[in-house]
Amino acid sequence: QSVLTQPPSVSAAPGQKVTISCSGSSSNIGNNYVSWYQQLPGTAPKLLIYENNKRPSGIPDRFSGSKSGTSATLGITGLQTGDEADYYCGTWDSSLSAYVVFGGGTKLTVL
Amino acid sequence: QVQLVQSGAEVKKPGASVKVSCKASGYTFTSYYMHWVRQAPGQGLEWMGIINPSGGSTSYAQKFQGRVTMTRDTSTSTVYMELSSLRSEDTAVYYCARDGTTVVTPPGWYFDLWGRGTLVTVSS
Repeated sequence: QSVLTQPPSVSAAPGQKVTISCSGSSSNIGNNYVSWYQQLPGTAPKLLIYENNKRPSGIPDRFSGSKSGTSATLGITGLQTGDEADYYCGTWDSSLSAYVVFGGGTKLTVL
Repeated sequence: QVQLVQSGAEVKKPGASVKVSCKASGYTFTSYYMHWVRQAPGQGLEWMGIINPSGGSTSYAQKFQGRVTMTRDTSTSTVYMELSSLRSEDTAVYYCARDGTTVVTPPGWYFDLWGRGTLVTVSS
């Protein structure tokens, strides 16, 4: 059971837009920055978004992040078949159990 | 180039220990925090702990307290993660991941550079 809640799967057609939600609480998302990671099959995760809405160098502006209250959202526009992957949100948590918590991951299928 | 190179796959028996290495190159090793994150087969990501390669200070997730030890060797730009008293539930891919901020500030708690992962299998 993950601390952050993501939908298990989302799907959309090539060229379309999709959003992935990440829900938490005041001890994590509500008071801290959110990051997003893309994990292609059989590979290590890759940073897509940090500090809620910043993109690292090399990440196209098709990827965007936002946060409101205790929830965050990853948006992907102009979907490509190469975007098929698992997506994870993560953030710092002020509880004593773990400093960093992740969502359970969302499988994106590009139909 | 900037990269993290991890040691190879391991097979261990229950109760044993495993030590995974992660060698950094292409940047100043002591300037960035390093984390360890694991992923069980078909499961999500789980944060294990953080080490400051500059001074060696560590913080671990409560779940792993007493079983995990993270160390570093500045002469070889390598961090290590040792997990003891292994059980079948520890079967996972273990990743080292660099924090996105330098050690002159508090950690950013996001990971901008990842190793390829080390599969640790615990089986009798």
